Amino acid sequence: QKEVEQDPGPLSVPEGAIVSLNCTYSNSAFQYFMWYRQYSRKGPELLMYTYSSGNKEDGRFTAQVDKSSKYISLFIRDSQPSDSATYLCAMSETNYGQNFVFGPGTRLSVLP
Amino acid sequence: KAGVTQTPRYLIKTRGQQVTLSCSPISGHRSVSWYQQTPGQGLQFLFEYFSETQRNKGNFPGRFSGRQFSNSRSEMNVSTLELGDSALYLCASSLLAGVGNEQFFGPGTRLTVL
Repeated sequence: QKEVEQDPGPLSVPEGAIVSLNCTYSNSAFQYFMWYRQYSRKGPELLMYTYSSGNKEDGRFTAQVDKSSKYISLFIRDSQPSDSATYLCAMSETNYGQNFVFGPGTRLSVLP
Repeated sequence: KAGVTQTPRYLIKTRGQQVTLSCSPISGHRSVSWYQQTPGQGLQFLFEYFSETQRNKGNFPGRFSGRQFSNSRSEMNVSTLELGDSALYLCASSLLAGVGNEQFFGPGTRLTVL
């Protein structure tokens, strides 16, 4: 079993839909959680960063962390074709360093 | 402001050879991290450098090494290449080290080992 699991997709939704992307993990020591977006042939870019449990909202994006269930989610409201990309979750036990553990990524297609 | 640049963008090598990849961080950034991305294993952390010192190292064999220069530019080296080393190698820079300091990724170097 991998340390971080993610449904690889592809996930196809119509424009304007609410998208839910999820990751589960096995290491209860993870405290720092991130979501990255990666367009084809590009490096990942940070979307959201959260510490411990709770919700965080940034524009159309909401990140949720449920440490008791070892489950994190990224919600995208009013999805746009430009949101079509691979979404990677990443987590870390400490805030020392950048040695995150990444999920395999979920490929999202938003259809016009 | 120029982004993270990586050279070369594409590379083809044969088994047993060695390779050196280069990364120039965003101006002013002192932390550089390297990652390997493959379809099977996803994105995996290789190592992180800050002010010319390796701060963290991922779970990769000693064939993978790196260094950082005084101008923050970084190189990674893979010796005795294996077929399984074929991957996209990504470099990321951040102003400071540590989670919470946003990393900016370069476009990557795609290495193919034949």
